[in-house]
Amino acid sequence: DTAVSQTPKYLVTQMGNDKSIKCEQNLGHDTMYWYKQDSKKFLKIMFSYNNKELIINETVPNRFSPKSPDKAHLNLHINSLELGDSAVYFCASSSEVTGGVNTIYFGEGSWLTVV
Amino acid sequence: AQTVTQSQPEMSVQEAETVTLSCTYDTSESDYYLFWYKQPPSRQMILVIRQEAYKQQNATENRFSVNFQKAAKSFSLKISDSQLGDAAMYFCAYRSLMEYGNKLVFGAGTILRVKS
Repeated sequence: DTAVSQTPKYLVTQMGNDKSIKCEQNLGHDTMYWYKQDSKKFLKIMFSYNNKELIINETVPNRFSPKSPDKAHLNLHINSLELGDSAVYFCASSSEVTGGVNTIYFGEGSWLTVV
Repeated sequence: AQTVTQSQPEMSVQEAETVTLSCTYDTSESDYYLFWYKQPPSRQMILVIRQEAYKQQNATENRFSVNFQKAAKSFSLKISDSQLGDAAMYFCAYRSLMEYGNKLVFGAGTILRVKS
């Protein structure tokens, strides 16, 4: 029973296509994230949602559209895929407990290759 | 904006020996959290250890411990009795308590190789 699960794990697609990555967490957390790890393994936040509300959007192109149908799910839809979108995308979640450490837990990553 | 620097792109350690991975950060805040994450070849991001900046005591988790020097803005990770399974990429991360959103700012990572 994986805490943060994302699908698909691997995705190879052609330029110009539209694709989605799904994420679900069963930890009861109220905050979810998408991080991108590029070819140099640098990790950077893309989006953060708290109780289905967008709270962080780190200047990501509007071809990327996150959707949170409920606080346990945060999906990432990407339109008109470009070669530079090739990366590993990590979903993550945390609980915004006042006074707590609020550790962020990551999914296993979705490896997107655009050809 | 905060930045995290890991100055060692790659480190090697002999099995059963001790290794220290360096991390420095830049912030004007007085309260924050610091983390070390491990990323093995499977790409899974695994939390190794965490430290609250207001705590003077260094965090310890079994063979993993940190040397947190708040004034120097340094947060190094010590791995004792290194094992082959410790081979991975290690990321240092900073979390602000002032900014809304709980985002992590990561360093560039250090590849740790363990020799048998």
